[in-house]
Amino acid sequence: AQKITQTQPGMFVQEKEAVTLDCTYDTSDPSYGLFWYKQPSSGEMIFLIYQGSYDQQNATEGRYSLNFQKARKSANLVISASQLGDSAMYFCAMRERDFGNEKLTFGTGTRLTIIP
Amino acid sequence: NAGVMQNPRHLVRRRGQEARLRCSPMKGHSHVYWYRQLPEEGLKFMVYLQKENIIDESGMPKERFSAEFPKEGPSILRIQQVVRGDSAAYFCASSPGPSKYEQYFGPGTRLTVT
Repeated sequence: AQKITQTQPGMFVQEKEAVTLDCTYDTSDPSYGLFWYKQPSSGEMIFLIYQGSYDQQNATEGRYSLNFQKARKSANLVISASQLGDSAMYFCAMRERDFGNEKLTFGTGTRLTIIP
Repeated sequence: NAGVMQNPRHLVRRRGQEARLRCSPMKGHSHVYWYRQLPEEGLKFMVYLQKENIIDESGMPKERFSAEFPKEGPSILRIQQVVRGDSAAYFCASSPGPSKYEQYFGPGTRLTVT
């Protein structure tokens, strides 16, 4: 089974609208972390937001928020008031505690295009 | 505070040559991860190293690939006798330790095998 599933290969959104990027995960580890990264066309990986499995509140960072639904194993990224500069690939990733190895497992990504 | 540095940013090799990719972690970070991104795919874990130790290399191909993180100097990912299928972006990430939230990524090295 896929550990991280991103079901939206591509999305087109009008500028200034809010957008939700879906991410579901699969783990039996009670302690895990969920991350979202942005990869613009220049190729670098930009950290956006983090949610720990024991965090009581949904994470927020500026225009980014994470809609964490633990029972459904989903960790959707919400971008409010989208901007042209938000056009990029977005990757959801999970970190599990595996004998101290904190490697990240990535989904296949969603390509977001903001339309002016 | 310099971020994670990788060089070269772009590397072209002919089939059969060797590729050496370098990663200098952020200052104070002693944990390094290497990931590979094939075209139009997500990143895949390759290897996790601490200074002078390979902790987990479960994502590394069994042959031709090796990694090190010496006491002094950058971490090196070495690919011997490259083939076209090795063409990818190779990212290095570093973290201060096992209990920190973020892995900080370098800009990546784009390897093209001709």
